[in-house]
Amino acid sequence: ETGVTQTPRHLVMGMTNKKSLKCEQHLGHNAMYWYKQSAKKPLELMFVYSLEERVENNSVPSRFSPECPNSSHLFLHLHTLQPEDSALYLCASSPGQGTSDTQYFGPGTRLTVL
Amino acid sequence: AQSVAQPEDQVNVAEGNPLTVKCTYSVSGNPYLFWYVQYPNRGLQFLLKYITGDNLVKGSYGFEAEFNKSQTSFHLKKPSALVSDSALYFCAVSQGGTASKLTFGTGTRLQVTL
Repeated sequence: ETGVTQTPRHLVMGMTNKKSLKCEQHLGHNAMYWYKQSAKKPLELMFVYSLEERVENNSVPSRFSPECPNSSHLFLHLHTLQPEDSALYLCASSPGQGTSDTQYFGPGTRLTVL
Repeated sequence: AQSVAQPEDQVNVAEGNPLTVKCTYSVSGNPYLFWYVQYPNRGLQFLLKYITGDNLVKGSYGFEAEFNKSQTSFHLKKPSALVSDSALYFCAVSQGGTASKLTFGTGTRLQVTL
């Protein structure tokens, strides 16, 4: 799991707070991803970045704002979240060569919104 | 639109017995299929993938999966289960583009008992 790291591992925030999740990959990959994992639901792809350009935004509410300053780092900025946003947020990376790429996941950030 | 179905929420098997975790898919064009495993409080770990070629794919930790195009299935198998295999298993299918975009199933919990 040292290939993709995520901080913090746990986060508790109020609905009016602003916080950021950080992801870093040490694999030399060109694509990075944010997923949301909620109980009893399939993993939901939120954002995809390829070569630091956003290529996918799956109808995610604007209270989630991604940032990819370079191919090794990905952030998810959070503001005015709702309790239903509580979930495990997973970051992944892949070589960026196409459809058959294997994605490698970080350990996730467990987010609780009060 | 592509989709993946994992019809069993949980599979129970005794240690030493063979295990099968089922997955069926729906996709236009050639499928790229993946299996991941998730241990408690951890991210997803890649097990194996099917791109093309042999229908039997071998992966990590003694797991293998059989691709069956006529039945649109990609079942995960292991000849002899271990207690340490107990975890949550996800099947996924990838769609096209410059970066892979995985659609996941809902997951199957594997419980291996002594």
